Amino acid sequence: SQTIHQWPATLVQPVGSPLSLECTVEGTSNPNLYWYRQAAGRGLQLLFYSVGIGQISSEVPQNLSASRPQDRQFILSSKKLLLSDSGFYLCAWSQVTRSRYTFGSGTRLTVV
Amino acid sequence: AQSVTQLDSHVSVSEGTPVLLRCNYSSSYSPSLFWYVQHPNKGLQLLLKYTSAATLVKGINGFEAEFKKSETSFHLTKPSAHMSDAAEYFCVVSLSGGSNYKLTFGKGTLLTVNP
Repeated sequence: SQTIHQWPATLVQPVGSPLSLECTVEGTSNPNLYWYRQAAGRGLQLLFYSVGIGQISSEVPQNLSASRPQDRQFILSSKKLLLSDSGFYLCAWSQVTRSRYTFGSGTRLTVV
Repeated sequence: AQSVTQLDSHVSVSEGTPVLLRCNYSSSYSPSLFWYVQHPNKGLQLLLKYTSAATLVKGINGFEAEFKKSETSFHLTKPSAHMSDAAEYFCVVSLSGGSNYKLTFGKGTLLTVNP
């Protein structure tokens, strides 16, 4: 069966520090991968998506970047965190030819 | 702790007939509740949200949901289904307040609309 792992669950980081959130998928190959963020007063916003290794599309300009070094690994990064980067980050995957999506458990990031 | 249960993994309706997608939640505190829709190969779209105001919430595309605290439910309805409503729907619960509150997703309900 397919599973998605996202960690850490909670993270508190100082302003200006780097960030690395990791997401891995098991039980499938060549998935579409997504990073979402929930910011204050908003619904989930799509940040990045990837249809293959090294292929990253960015939906909104920001202080973050994403990488896909392996087929089932998706990493969200920042070189220097801002206070506005605080939020709830969610990783998701879908099969290429299907519409069903599976979400990770999320990471609550607080930048202080 | 909070949790969300979407009672049906798949709902199939005919075009023009009513839609009912069921969602039950549990939360230790006053929750915010959301319905999201996921169309194929697109990002999640917010349909509607409940944040302790009116219990009957109207959303986009003719959808609405009613928050029933006594039943811990937040079912999504639409009077008449359209072919374009075919998608996956997620019920989501969160604790109110703050920019980094945790979201808990239901497992999703796939809505099929038949001509």
